[in-house]
Amino acid sequence: AQSVTQLDSQVPVFEEAPVELRCNYSSSVSVYLFWYVQYPNQGLQLLLKYLSGSTLVKGINGFEAEFNKSQTSFHLRKPSVHISDTAVYFCAVSDLRSNYQLIWGAGTKLIIKP
Amino acid sequence: DAGVTQSPTHLIKTRGQHVTLRCSPISGHKSVSWYQQVLGQGPQFIFQYYEKEERGRGNFPDRFSARQFPNYSSELNVNALLLGDSALYLCASSQSTGLNTEAFFGQGTRLTVV
Repeated sequence: AQSVTQLDSQVPVFEEAPVELRCNYSSSVSVYLFWYVQYPNQGLQLLLKYLSGSTLVKGINGFEAEFNKSQTSFHLRKPSVHISDTAVYFCAVSDLRSNYQLIWGAGTKLIIKP
Repeated sequence: DAGVTQSPTHLIKTRGQHVTLRCSPISGHKSVSWYQQVLGQGPQFIFQYYEKEERGRGNFPDRFSARQFPNYSSELNVNALLLGDSALYLCASSQSTGLNTEAFFGQGTRLTVV
């Protein structure tokens, strides 16, 4: 069965520094990849998604992610973070075996240090 | 426009009781999905409904059931509550069921079983 691994439960980073949040998945057969953000006391919001085409995907709030099929990864990056980026970030994967339902990682809490 | 609304926002129940959670999708959205998010973990898919028909079911026991009404709102019912059912229950609505259709999440109902 498909699985999603977000190795870092928390990532502390200084304000205006770059950040990378890691996501690896188990199956590379026709996957669709998503990053969602959950701000404190709010629901989940879609940041970006990869369905096909260019492996570099740009999303909202200056985030981007790169699909790497050989490494089965979909890491999220931002060149300069702000205090408002404090949130939990979830990677999710969908494929035929999951009947195209989203399989979610455990989430990475991004902590911005002033 | 109102987003996805869920009620109640918080709920405390005793083991063995029954609970009903409600979700109103964004106007014009015909698909509703339910997720369970245990503290510190990613969401787990429970059900998806589209046009009042069940389109997907996750790996949850029969104590969990749901339905969608003609106005596309939805209810999630859980019988014989267990302590392990304590979680944030998220509802997501979308216009249809395809991968290109973005899902919009409500703020969730936090269920505590004591």
